[in-house]
Amino acid sequence: KNQVEQSPQSLIILEGKNCTLQCNYTVSPFSNLRWYKQDTGRGPVSLTIMTFSENTKSNGRYTATLDADTKQSSLHITASQLSDSASYICVVSYLDHNAGNNRKLIWGLGTSLAVNP
Amino acid sequence: DSGVTQTPKHLITATGQRVTLRCSPRSGDLSVYWYQQSLDQGLQFLIHYYNGEERAKGNILERFSAQQFPDLHSELNLSSLELGDSALYFCASSARDRGQETQYFGPGTRLLVL
Repeated sequence: KNQVEQSPQSLIILEGKNCTLQCNYTVSPFSNLRWYKQDTGRGPVSLTIMTFSENTKSNGRYTATLDADTKQSSLHITASQLSDSASYICVVSYLDHNAGNNRKLIWGLGTSLAVNP
Repeated sequence: DSGVTQTPKHLITATGQRVTLRCSPRSGDLSVYWYQQSLDQGLQFLIHYYNGEERAKGNILERFSAQQFPDLHSELNLSSLELGDSALYFCASSARDRGQETQYFGPGTRLLVL
């Protein structure tokens, strides 16, 4: 079954500290993996997108890694800021052979990050 | 601002009623996706339209329906509303960049069913 699991479910860190969020997936055949940031009550915003051949991708203080062999991804946040408080969602795209090879998305439940002063 | 607009921002209604949520995609985007997000839950994919045609269905109830119009705006109709339908409803449009599709989300419509 195609699944995306994220850990931890929630995380509290102090401003200025680093943190790493995890995403494990069992989706196949894999197309790409995205990390989204969702502020409370607002729509998700894309942070990074990674394809099979990419191991690491950065977007400012956010760095995503992908290990396609172990089907794991991580999102590392450096020097956290109060504005980083949000839910971080991992989304994996796959080709659905039962639906004309249309790309479909599996959304993780997200990690809720709180950055405290 | 993602460029995707949704109206209304907030909606309060009673059980058994019917409501329509509206979404305008970013200029040039042909795809529209609808999602439901209940309190403290993940995003649940409902339905996807591309250039006026239904492309994929997710966990959409029979009481819910959607359509995409020739001008590419979309409407999500929710009928026979129940308390459990209270949620944030997001619309997203998508674009391809270097072969990869990225979804851009609207601000959402917060529905409260009393």
